[in-house]
Amino acid sequence: QKEVEQDPGPLSVPEGAIVSLNCTYSNSAFQYFMWYRQYSRKGPELLMYTYSSGNKEDGRFTAQVDKSSKYISLFIRDSQPSDSATYLCAMSAIKAAGNKLTFGGGTRVLVKP
Amino acid sequence: NAGVTQTPKFRVLKTGQSMTLLCAQDMNHEYMYWYRQDPGMGLRLIHYSVGEGTTAKGEVPDGYNVSRLKKQNFLLGLESAAPSQTSVYFCASSYEGGQHFGDGTRLSIL
Repeated sequence: QKEVEQDPGPLSVPEGAIVSLNCTYSNSAFQYFMWYRQYSRKGPELLMYTYSSGNKEDGRFTAQVDKSSKYISLFIRDSQPSDSATYLCAMSAIKAAGNKLTFGGGTRVLVKP
Repeated sequence: NAGVTQTPKFRVLKTGQSMTLLCAQDMNHEYMYWYRQDPGMGLRLIHYSVGEGTTAKGEVPDGYNVSRLKKQNFLLGLESAAPSQTSVYFCASSYEGGQHFGDGTRLSIL
């Protein structure tokens, strides 16, 4: 079993809908949680960075962390065709050597006009 | 505002050839990383560095070597390329917080 599980999708939604993405993990030492967006033929781009449990909002993006359930989520409101991409979750433990990250496999999202 | 720059962007090699992938960052980050990304396998860490002159093995280091002679540069070498090393290679850097990635090098080994 992988340390971080993420549904590969694809997740197809109409423009304007809310996109809901999630990851589950097994390592209780993870304290830092990130979401990346990756467009085709591009590198991952850091979208959200959170520490421990709780919510964080940035524009149309909201990240939630539930450490008791080992579950993190990313919500995209008012989705646009430009949000079509692969979304990767990533996490790390406090004082992990070299700040190494453990990634989910990514969820492909398609926002249809 | 370059961030992380990788060269070359594309390369085709023959089995047994050698090459070096270059990564440069202008954010004064201490940590740098090399990953490979393959369909169905996600991002896998090859080697990383926690500072100038240091390197360490990641998840899939075999067949690769690295060097960090200057803080801003991290080089990934393939001494004798194999078809199994056909992949997209990403470099990343970080200090505190999340890692910042370049746009990758697409490498094909024939």
